[in-house]
Amino acid sequence: AQSVTQLGSHVSVSEGALVLLRCNYSSSVPPYLFWYVQYPNQGLQLLLKYTTGATLVKGINGFEAEFKKSETSFHLTKPSAHMSDAAEYFCAVRDSGNTPLVFGKGTRLSVIA
Amino acid sequence: GAGVSQSPRYKVAKRGQDVALRCDPISGHVSLFWYQQALGQGPEFLTYFQNEAQLDKSGLPSDRFFAERPEGSVSTLKIQRTQQEDSAVYLCASSLGLSHNEQFFGPGTRLTVL
Repeated sequence: AQSVTQLGSHVSVSEGALVLLRCNYSSSVPPYLFWYVQYPNQGLQLLLKYTTGATLVKGINGFEAEFKKSETSFHLTKPSAHMSDAAEYFCAVRDSGNTPLVFGKGTRLSVIA
Repeated sequence: GAGVSQSPRYKVAKRGQDVALRCDPISGHVSLFWYQQALGQGPEFLTYFQNEAQLDKSGLPSDRFFAERPEGSVSTLKIQRTQQEDSAVYLCASSLGLSHNEQFFGPGTRLTVL
């Protein structure tokens, strides 16, 4: 069975500092990997996804993530945090095919002025 | 519409009441998913439709939960005899149905059972 572990339920960074949100997964088959962002009282918005090909994936709002098969990781980074980045971030995995997503528990990002 | 819509956005029910939650997917999207998000947790899969066919309902927590999509577009999630542990945000997502396609999420329905 697939599972996702997000290390750190809450991460706090200063405005302008590097953002690093960690995600490790377990999957018996090559996975599709996703990062979603959720603002208060809103649905999930896709930041980026890895399916095949280049392991460094660029997404919206300056975020990127790197798929490292040997480490079973898909950490999310952004070089410089902005106040508007404060939100809940979810890493998710699914098999190839149109299957349901398996989510991590989420990491709440706070950005301090 | 531009995105997935859900109604109502908020629902308060007394324990034992039945509730119905509606999802309007993006027009033309073949696949529709329901997820349950408890407070402070990530979304968890409930059930999945391909057009009108319910292909997977393994995530439904009990037989009090029932979902349908009779015409392959709008879907309804019904919860009978609600319990306090049913309190959560219920998210609906739709996709075009191909393997690489993104799932687009609605804003969710926050259900509170008193």
